[in-house]
Amino acid sequence: EVQLVQSGAEVKKPGATVKISCKVSGYTFTDYYMHWVQQAPGKGLEWMGLVDPEDGETIYAEKFQGRVTITADTSTDTAYMELSSLRSEDTAVYYCATDHLGLWGRGTLVTVSS
Amino acid sequence: DVVMTQSPLSLPVTLGQPASISCRSSQSLVYSDGNTYLNWFQQRPGQSPRRLIYKVSNRDSGVPDRFSGSGSGTDFTLKISRVEAEDVGVYYCMQGTHWPLWTFGQGTKVEIK
Repeated sequence: EVQLVQSGAEVKKPGATVKISCKVSGYTFTDYYMHWVQQAPGKGLEWMGLVDPEDGETIYAEKFQGRVTITADTSTDTAYMELSSLRSEDTAVYYCATDHLGLWGRGTLVTVSS
Repeated sequence: DVVMTQSPLSLPVTLGQPASISCRSSQSLVYSDGNTYLNWFQQRPGQSPRRLIYKVSNRDSGVPDRFSGSGSGTDFTLKISRVEAEDVGVYYCMQGTHWPLWTFGQGTKVEIK
């Protein structure tokens, strides 16, 4: 089955770092960019960045530049999104997504709370 | 950066009636390869976004044919020919022409009257 399977919900304290995974199955991981999208509670969709799994090249949205790191592990067909210096405004659902068939993961809820 | 503007932001509709959502971009979405990378997504309550339409007018697999996309350049439209109860949710347009980012519209909430 073609799908993106994301890791489970996380609760973090302000200032901490979170790392979310997105495992690909059903297609060739290196054929398509992997994007990450943030959705704060009750809000719209905001693109964070992407990784080209073939060579690891990344591009980040200006808003997240310096705090986000997106990586791809071709040995496990898994993409990762790491967000550091967490603050309450980072409480959101984070999605991985690809252009292939318009696939999106189910999302990972990150709650930042002291 | 490209700005995507949707209207209306709220759309109450009667079951069985048509619905239409407009999306306008601040720049032409025609890419150098001749394609226009404008997609439409549906997000039902509590679910992740689902792509309905890609490259303006191509329906994704499994998408009912009551959904259709049209437009060109900077003006695009998503139409639902006859709204059903399962169509309730938020609809987003998204451009993928102007790298390096995906840009989404604000979202249009479709609800049943």
